[in-house]
Amino acid sequence: EPEVTQTPSHQVTQMGQEVILRCVPISNHLYFYWYRQILGQKVEFLVSFYNNEISEKSEIFDDQFSVERPDGSNFTLKIRSTKLEDSAMYFCASRATGPGTEAFFGQGTRLTVV
Amino acid sequence: AQSVTQPDIHITVSEGASLELRCNYSYGATPYLFWYVQSPGQGLQLLLKYFSGDTLVQGIKGFEAEFKRSQSSFNLRKPSVHWSDAAEYFCAVEISSGSARQLTFGSGTQLTVLP
Repeated sequence: EPEVTQTPSHQVTQMGQEVILRCVPISNHLYFYWYRQILGQKVEFLVSFYNNEISEKSEIFDDQFSVERPDGSNFTLKIRSTKLEDSAMYFCASRATGPGTEAFFGQGTRLTVV
Repeated sequence: AQSVTQPDIHITVSEGASLELRCNYSYGATPYLFWYVQSPGQGLQLLLKYFSGDTLVQGIKGFEAEFKRSQSSFNLRKPSVHWSDAAEYFCAVEISSGSARQLTFGSGTQLTVLP
């Protein structure tokens, strides 16, 4: 069964450092998303990406965040200068086109900023 | 603004007992509705979805959910809970904003199953 793959599963970084979280969406999907879940809180939408551009972003997704699809398979989330409050589980998701389709989520990357 | 409410933070049931997890939404139009499950250290797995048609939908692992427009609810049910059902359950609403179609999640319900 096709799945969304995220790497690494856990990343520890120092405050102020840049991190890149990587995702390989399901191959025939065209919509890509990043969500985050701070420990003990709800899953929150960060950004959606379609046709090589951001289609929607939340207020959380400020200038410190960026997304990229550098090649035909990877979808990355970059945080330029990490803050303590960026510590969270980050989920990538992808979706096929058309009505009645759902998002498939990866296993997540747990980011710890120290 | 759209929102999803899961009023029960934590539910404990005995194995073999029935289960109902509550979900209420606030959305201007008929929403697309989902239930996801998250086991410890795992990602989000889709249990079931409602887009249109029959308001009682069947999902994986023996779960079902009923959409009630009059109550703005989409409660998840299972007639007999198994120990492996212990996990966190999230209700979500799809917000169709242009092509984005992102999800808004509830705060989750943690399910504990007693032997």
